[in-house]
Amino acid sequence: GAVVSQHPSRVICKSGTSVKIECRSLDFQATTMFWYRQFPKKSLMLMATSNEGSKATYEQGVEKDKFLINHASLTLSTLTVTSAHPEDSSFYICSARDGTFKETQYFGPGTRLLVL
Amino acid sequence: QKEVEQNSGPLSVPEGAIASLNCTYSDRVSQSFFWYRQYSGKSPELIMSIYSNGDKEDGRFTAQLNKASQYVSLLIRDSQPSDSATYLCAVKFRSGGSNYKLTFGKGTLLTVNP
Repeated sequence: GAVVSQHPSRVICKSGTSVKIECRSLDFQATTMFWYRQFPKKSLMLMATSNEGSKATYEQGVEKDKFLINHASLTLSTLTVTSAHPEDSSFYICSARDGTFKETQYFGPGTRLLVL
Repeated sequence: QKEVEQNSGPLSVPEGAIASLNCTYSDRVSQSFFWYRQYSGKSPELIMSIYSNGDKEDGRFTAQLNKASQYVSLLIRDSQPSDSATYLCAVKFRSGGSNYKLTFGKGTLLTVNP
């Protein structure tokens, strides 16, 4: 299957700082990328959908000014958690959808964020 | 509201048995269905996709789709302890215009006992 990488895999930061997470599709061009968060023992929650070269579409209840998403190319999307607080601590997972007819969605390995 | 329903489990089966995981979905016009496996602390991994009514087999995994009943299932034959994970059913729904997104069920926790 296709490979999606995410960096960093784990980050610890102080409250009030900003954290950037990168998501790359390594062997295919991703027309659309998705950002999810997941709390322990809970299901995936879609935060936003981003298409290359256009503004991200955020799900209801997700603050677009807090979670900045940039999809600069067909292989790279970034999520920046601005002014992070302890309640932002979570497992953030990106997903990339390939541009073929079947449009299969592949997940990155996730980034575990801990805000102190 | 597009919904995907799964029994949260846990589903416990002995090693070597068949594990049967079920999923129902609300949107009759959905065309694409996926099963992901998620180990604890890891991200989801795609294991099967199915688009047409009937069965699709891949090794020990068989996905079954019945669009009339809006039902999709995953069978795991000869279950192994390494199959112990949460299995997520995902359905692709139209989210507006020509855009689509996956909606996930809450997942079924499968435990295979040695």
